[in-house]
Amino acid sequence: GQQVMQIPQYQHVQEGEDFTTYCNSSTTLSNIQWYKQRPGGHPVFLIQLVKSGEVKKQKRLTFQFGEAKKNSSLHITATQTTDVGTYFCAGQGYGNKLVFGAGTILRVKS
Amino acid sequence: DGGITQSPKYLFRKEGQNVTLSCEQNLNHDAMYWYRQDPGQGLRLIYYSQIVNDFQKGDIAEGYSVSREKKESFPLTVTSAQKNPTAFYLCASGPGFTDTQYFGPGTRLTVL
Repeated sequence: GQQVMQIPQYQHVQEGEDFTTYCNSSTTLSNIQWYKQRPGGHPVFLIQLVKSGEVKKQKRLTFQFGEAKKNSSLHITATQTTDVGTYFCAGQGYGNKLVFGAGTILRVKS
Repeated sequence: DGGITQSPKYLFRKEGQNVTLSCEQNLNHDAMYWYRQDPGQGLRLIYYSQIVNDFQKGDIAEGYSVSREKKESFPLTVTSAQKNPTAFYLCASGPGFTDTQYFGPGTRLTVL
């Protein structure tokens, strides 16, 4: 079945440094979604990417969807302590259910 | 105030007892989901429902059961057959099967 791999599992950065998490699917996706879960909280939807090669920005966050629609990345510029949490990608194959990656835990040292 | 609610927030049960977790949404969403999250791990799908009176097994359905008698409600029963039930349980809903999912606050179940 469809698998979604996410790396790294964990990253600890100094405040102000950049951060990137990568997501790879075993199959071509119709769309990919990104969620953020704060410590002790629940996942919250960030964005959905649908088009091949799509790039979307939300303030310091940049999301990319690969040309082959099998991979994606989330890049945070100049991390802040408010960025702490677990970032999940979730890929959806055509007509299939959403499959979540294992998540990347981000810790920020101030 | 629209949203998705789960109750209770914390739940303790003795081993061998069945327990039912509540999930209610007033977003008029057709699709509802149950996930299990273990410490430091991702989300694993237990059951999902695309429409009232219909539901499908997810990746780890063994030891769990659900019902979807009303559009707003999707309760999850953790049965005594579930070998390791202590976990954080998240309910989610979405307008349709292929849409964004909105998560409830979760129920943290501890089996003693």
